[in-house]
Amino acid sequence: GAVVSQHPSWVICKSGTSVKIECRSLDFQATTMFWYRQFPKQSLMLMATSNEGSKATYEQGVEKDKFLINHASLTLSTLTVTSAHPEDSSFYICSAGGRTYNEQFFGPGTRLTVL
Amino acid sequence: AQKITQTQPGMFVQEKEAVTLDCTYDTSDQSYGLFWYKQPSSGEMIFLIYQGSYDEQNATEGRYSLNFQKARKSANLVISASQLGDSAMYFCAMREGEDYSSASKIIFGSGTRLSIRP
Repeated sequence: GAVVSQHPSWVICKSGTSVKIECRSLDFQATTMFWYRQFPKQSLMLMATSNEGSKATYEQGVEKDKFLINHASLTLSTLTVTSAHPEDSSFYICSAGGRTYNEQFFGPGTRLTVL
Repeated sequence: AQKITQTQPGMFVQEKEAVTLDCTYDTSDQSYGLFWYKQPSSGEMIFLIYQGSYDEQNATEGRYSLNFQKARKSANLVISASQLGDSAMYFCAMREGEDYSSASKIIFGSGTRLSIRP
């Protein structure tokens, strides 16, 4: 099946710094990608829909100025956590749809720890 | 708004037994799709099975089958002959939208932690 990669796989940063997470579709083009966050022992919560060439669509309650999403090409979407704080520590997962509606490919996730 | 409900936070099953993981959903759309994913401790999301709202037959993929009861809005996952490697979190998820495509977002249930006893 199609492959979605994320980089980095884990990151530790100091409070107040910004962190960028990359999501790449390796062998297919993805006009739409999704960003989720997952707290320990909880479900995946959709944060935003990333659209190539246009602004991301954020879910209710997600601060768009804090979680900046850029989908600059058909294979790359980035999530930047700005001025990170310890409460932003979480597992961030991206996904991309395939050619048909029954396909959805997930990246391996990025574990963010903010000290 | 769409909603996915998984009422079993955790389950213990003896190896080689069959297990059913419950999932109910709520949607006002006629076109939607239901997914089941497995998430081991490594965190990766592993696709297991898909059922479309218009599919007349229950989906099957190897040891996985989906018991789709449209009128009851349920989409239970059945794992036959469970194995130790089946121990993981299992999530039911749904995709819907007027533009029903791979660009439509997927929403997840709260998950069920399945533990297989040797």
